[in-house]
Amino acid sequence: KNEVEQSPQNLTAQEGEFITINCSYSVGISALHWLQQHPGGGIVSLFMLSSGKKKHGRLIATINIQEKHSSLHITASHPRDSAVYICAVRSGKLFYFGTGSSLTVIP
Amino acid sequence: EAQVTQNPRYLITVTGKKLTVTCSQNMNHEYMSWYRQDPGLGLRQIYYSMNVEVTDKGDVPEGYKVSRKEKRNFPLILESPSPNQTSLYFCASSLNQGIHGYTFGSGTRLTVV
Repeated sequence: KNEVEQSPQNLTAQEGEFITINCSYSVGISALHWLQQHPGGGIVSLFMLSSGKKKHGRLIATINIQEKHSSLHITASHPRDSAVYICAVRSGKLFYFGTGSSLTVIP
Repeated sequence: EAQVTQNPRYLITVTGKKLTVTCSQNMNHEYMSWYRQDPGLGLRQIYYSMNVEVTDKGDVPEGYKVSRKEKRNFPLILESPSPNQTSLYFCASSLNQGIHGYTFGSGTRLTVV
């Protein structure tokens, strides 16, 4: 069972490119989270969304509740953005995670 | 510094030998949770706690126990570890059910031989 699907699984971009990572989910949710996991393994919480759009620096996250879909955009990508980006949804009291999208930004 | 501290970072143990992975947070968060991360499967929730003495099963609770006797601590207990519990484990905490996001520990890489 895959409650959360992400695409692409792997992505390589040139520095400065606009990046989009997509997340689709199949369960009813109360919130959707985007997480960032760096090569060392540490996980950082980027966004929590229940509707609309949020922006933090060069990162933008959107959610369409009706379509059960969210996107994470990175504008003017930089090598330090290289990481695995994970979509997670809260359904009731449980969390379900996508398998992650691995981004490599080349200088 | 606000943080979630997990110990140990690395652990190799043998099948059947009880172990505890500790998790402590200094942010007075009500919510704490344990996850395991496996290649190809991503993160999966093991157990969570909404507050002191309130714990519940996540998606993959079999083979694990937890306790929440104090607000800051949420240890993960493997009574009889098996090789299929070899994984990378993360503890996380949040305030107000994640409205302001979650803080993750640095992870514990467990190998059961």
